[in-house]
Amino acid sequence: EIVMTQSPATLSVSPGERATLSCRASQSVSSNLAWYQQKPGQAPRLLIYGASTRATGIPARFSGSGSGTEFTLTISSLQSEDFAVYYCQQYNNWPPEFTFGPGTKVDIK
Amino acid sequence: QVQLVQSGAEVKKPGASVKVSCKASGYTFTSYYMHWVRQAPGQGLEWMGIINPSGGSTSYAQKFQGRVTMTRDTSTSTVYMELSSLRSEDTAVYYCARGLNVRSAFDIWGQGTMVTVSS
Repeated sequence: EIVMTQSPATLSVSPGERATLSCRASQSVSSNLAWYQQKPGQAPRLLIYGASTRATGIPARFSGSGSGTEFTLTISSLQSEDFAVYYCQQYNNWPPEFTFGPGTKVDIK
Repeated sequence: QVQLVQSGAEVKKPGASVKVSCKASGYTFTSYYMHWVRQAPGQGLEWMGIINPSGGSTSYAQKFQGRVTMTRDTSTSTVYMELSSLRSEDTAVYYCARGLNVRSAFDIWGQGTMVTVSS
């Protein structure tokens, strides 16, 4: 089983600042990595897939990078609506195995 | 618009079964896979399994093998997830989520269904 880890667990950021979130896989997942945003009481929303491709309607301030085992989600200038929990997910394995990281909570500093 | 609408909240006793539905609209039902993901209160996301609505084939996470069954009804564009032998640890929000193929991210999610297991 591929284990996903995320750091930090909590990130305190001021509005307008840059946020950098990290995700690591226990073995290579190539570029089969997605990022999701979840707000309280809501379903997750897809932000990034293929490690670096923004999903439909996602603002350009969200960007993803990395491949193999190390990945980064960057939010260039945090807006009030960006305070949420962010999860990474790998979808590389066969038979199907879609493991999520434990999440990074981005809160207001 | 593309959407997944799930059935309402359930309260079950330990040992019982629950069946949650997810009705798709706004796209060709058989052209996308469907996943089930759950989230215990205050916890992270846990993938449970996948179904191909076209042929009905399934693959389940090892943790749920033997307890989960995913089915579909193409006439109503609905997928179902049934979880048996419920225990308190199964208390969670259950989501369906769409994937383009067997190796893709989940682009559309249902609103979630709260399942509470309590005696």
